[in-house]
Amino acid sequence: DAMVIQNPRYQVTQFGKPVTLSCSQTLNHNVMYWYQQKSSQAPKLLFHYYDKDFNNEADTPDNFQSRRPNTSFCFLDIRSPGLGDAAMYLCATSRDLGGVDEQFFGPGTRLTVL
Amino acid sequence: GENVEQHPSTLSVQEGDSAVIKCTYSDSASNYFPWYKQELGKGPQLIIDIRSNVGEKKDQRIAVTLNKTAKHFSLHITETQPEDSAVYFCAAHIIQGAQKLVFGQGTRLTINP
Repeated sequence: DAMVIQNPRYQVTQFGKPVTLSCSQTLNHNVMYWYQQKSSQAPKLLFHYYDKDFNNEADTPDNFQSRRPNTSFCFLDIRSPGLGDAAMYLCATSRDLGGVDEQFFGPGTRLTVL
Repeated sequence: GENVEQHPSTLSVQEGDSAVIKCTYSDSASNYFPWYKQELGKGPQLIIDIRSNVGEKKDQRIAVTLNKTAKHFSLHITETQPEDSAVYFCAAHIIQGAQKLVFGQGTRLTINP
């Protein structure tokens, strides 16, 4: 049974056209993360929510925003996608913060920017 | 800043042989070190992890060793099988600044039949 679900799996958008990626979880975890993973690279943390508290990484571009309307759902909004934003976007959850709890990853959404 | 170095970037071994992937980290206060396996088109999946209070952990064909003094940890896969082919990422829980996992650059492991 899927525990971290990401929709859509593949997303194509045009340069500058806003796009929203979706993540949901059935684990009832407190923490939800968004990572960006470019080809042949490690996942790079963009931001995370601990419950409703939002924490942005210092080097995350302003172009990237996130919303968490409830425990189960978290959204990644890219306001004006550029060609450099084409990547796999991974959502992950963990029971608690502090990094010592296992992070469960979703299958990812592959974003293409034309 | 926080850094996790992973080597090698690619590794090819014959089926049945062992594979070893090594990582070093910079934050001496790090206390949690997971290893993830990522198959093509999928998200990373945890395969084994180790905490700083132990030096070695084993789960069937997979083992991880940790040397806190030298700040390095390694993944060992024995009796490799074709389904072990994937990209493997190490990670370290970084304490400095905002607590988070920092990932190594990944190792593409290929098992040759």
